[in-house]
Formats: sequence, C-alpha cells, structure tokens
Amino acid sequence: QVQLKESGPGLVQPSQTLSLTCTVSGFSLTSNSVHWVRQPPGKGLEWVGAIWSGGSTDYNSALKSRLSISRDTSKSQVFLKMNSLQTEDTAIYFCTRAYGGYYFDYWGQGVMVTVSS
Amino acid sequence: DVQMTQSPSNLAASPGESVSINCKASKSISKYLAWYQQKPGKANKLLIYSGSTLQSGTPSRFSGSGSGTDFTLTIRNLEPEDFGLYYCQQHNEYPYTFGAGTKLELK
Repeated sequence: QVQLKESGPGLVQPSQTLSLTCTVSGFSLTSNSVHWVRQPPGKGLEWVGAIWSGGSTDYNSALKSRLSISRDTSKSQVFLKMNSLQTEDTAIYFCTRAYGGYYFDYWGQGVMVTVSS
Repeated sequence: DVQMTQSPSNLAASPGESVSINCKASKSISKYLAWYQQKPGKANKLLIYSGSTLQSGTPSRFSGSGSGTDFTLTIRNLEPEDFGLYYCQQHNEYPYTFGAGTKLELK
C-alpha cells in the first residue's frame, strides 16, 4: 500500500541547514509528485514545495531562496534542504503525494523540527 | 496567492448531530477544493476533493458542496471518531493554499 515516511533531525540550530528525507513505498516517483507541507505549532498548514514526476520542482515563493527539493528514484526518496533556518521555521514537516498533481491523497505522519540554540 | 478563509474556527457538537464548516476563496477556484481531517498521531486524511467527490473510504455522512468561491463541508449524524481538526485546500492553482482550520470538539 502507499506509504510515506519522513525522517530527519528533530533539532536544528538557527542559521543552520535542515535536511529531511521522505521515503515512499507503494508508488513510483516517476509517475507521481511528492510535496512538502509544514505546520507550525498550533497553526495551520502551509505548502512548502514539490517535486514533480518528471523531476522539476516548484517552491513556495516565500521560501524559494532557501529551499531545495530533490529525489533519488532508485531509493524512492525525496529530499528537502532548507538553509538559514530561523525560529519561525519550527514546524511539523509532512511529505505527501499529490494525486494527479492536485489534491493530497496520502500523507506521512510528519516530523517535528525545532529551530533553537 | 488564493487566500482561503475557513469558518468557524471552533465548533462544538454532540454525537448524532449535524455540522457544517465553510471555506471561502479570495477568487474563483471553480470546483477545486479539498477537505482534510487531522487527528493526533494519525496521518492527515483526504475526505473530499473537487468540491464534492468523496475519497474512497470516506463515510457517506460526509458531503461537500459549493463552487466558485464558497464551499461547505457537512457532516451528518456525527460519530465519535469525527472529532478533530478539519482543513480546506484549494487545488485550482499554485501555490496550493489551505484554510486556517476548524476544530470540531465534543460538546
């Protein structure tokens, strides 16, 4: 069945780089897009960015200068890298599959990332 | 970006009752609205997409309506497992944007 699982450090120091991995199973990255969505504590959901089935990417314009999304199709993994982290980047980070590139039909459980010294 | 305004932010109801949650887009998004349920310790669950199409596995007590800028999620005959957070999301244009959420609590 379709599954997504995020992994990465729970704590990152301010100004450092966040690296997250989303490992997927049950579907192919070359046929589906995978997106990152984040949720600050007690707040709503924010779309972060996406990597499409062909390998192209799209980013939230507010984060674009700090963000990179890539993938390794042989390992069924999608990677998120965000630099110059600030406390406002503290959030749960989810990876999710977008069916047809539209709505998010499967989600990972999320990984909590805290930016703090 | 399309702004999504969701209301109410909090809602209290009892099992067996019916509730409605509204979502308003800052511009027309045609029919392209999705609804999600969020519960602690569980993956977010897609309930409805394209305004009114139930995702496979979504109970029939859930329904979605609306088009253009105004949408509604209705839950009839509430079950105990329905209590949680609900979010709308427009999937008409990038960047996809979400409502601020509605917390459905047990009265």
